Amino acid sequence: AQSVTQLGSHVSVSEGALVLLRCNYSSSVPPYLFWYVQYPNQGLQLLLKYTSAATLVKGINGFEAEFKKSETSFHLTKPSAHMSDAAEYFCAVKGGSEKLVFGKGMKLTVNP
Amino acid sequence: DAGVIQSPRHEVTEMGQEVTLRCKLISGHNSLFWYRQTMMRGLELLIYFNNNVPIDDSGMPEDRFSAKMPNASFSTLKIQPSEPRDSAVYFCASSLVGWDRGPEDYGYTFGSGTRLTVV
Repeated sequence: AQSVTQLGSHVSVSEGALVLLRCNYSSSVPPYLFWYVQYPNQGLQLLLKYTSAATLVKGINGFEAEFKKSETSFHLTKPSAHMSDAAEYFCAVKGGSEKLVFGKGMKLTVNP
Repeated sequence: DAGVIQSPRHEVTEMGQEVTLRCKLISGHNSLFWYRQTMMRGLELLIYFNNNVPIDDSGMPEDRFSAKMPNASFSTLKIQPSEPRDSAVYFCASSLVGWDRGPEDYGYTFGSGTRLTVV
């Protein structure tokens, strides 16, 4: 079975500071990994995905994530936070089936 | 492309009433996923279809819930009778699944959701 763990539920950063959102996965097969963002009262939007090609994946809005098999991690980073980054971020894993299994989500607050 | 379209955006109904949520897939996609989002349980996969066929309905809470794909581009999720604990945001998502898909096809496209309140 596949699962992802996003420790904590809320992170707060200052505008211009580094954003780091952690995700660890568990999968019995080589995984595909995803980060989604959800703005208030909206659906989930795909930020980026790892599909077994390059381990460093660049996404939209300046976000990137690195797949580290040895650490079973897929942490999301952005060098400089912007006010518009305030949202909830979900890590997800796809294993042998088509099901995407989501983490609990992490709410990002950006302070001016 | 208009994306995945869900209706209604908001639904308020009384306990015991039937509720039908609707979803239109992205043209060319062949898989449809229904998710439920609550504060307590996060995002839960209820059911998914591939080429109009239900593949996995293990997440459907109970017999009060049913989902159909009458054609390749449209799906409904019905709750009958509805209960207050069904209050949640229901999302559908579509994807292209198949042997000929490329890396760019992986990942779902979500609709904007239906916020259901059962009073």
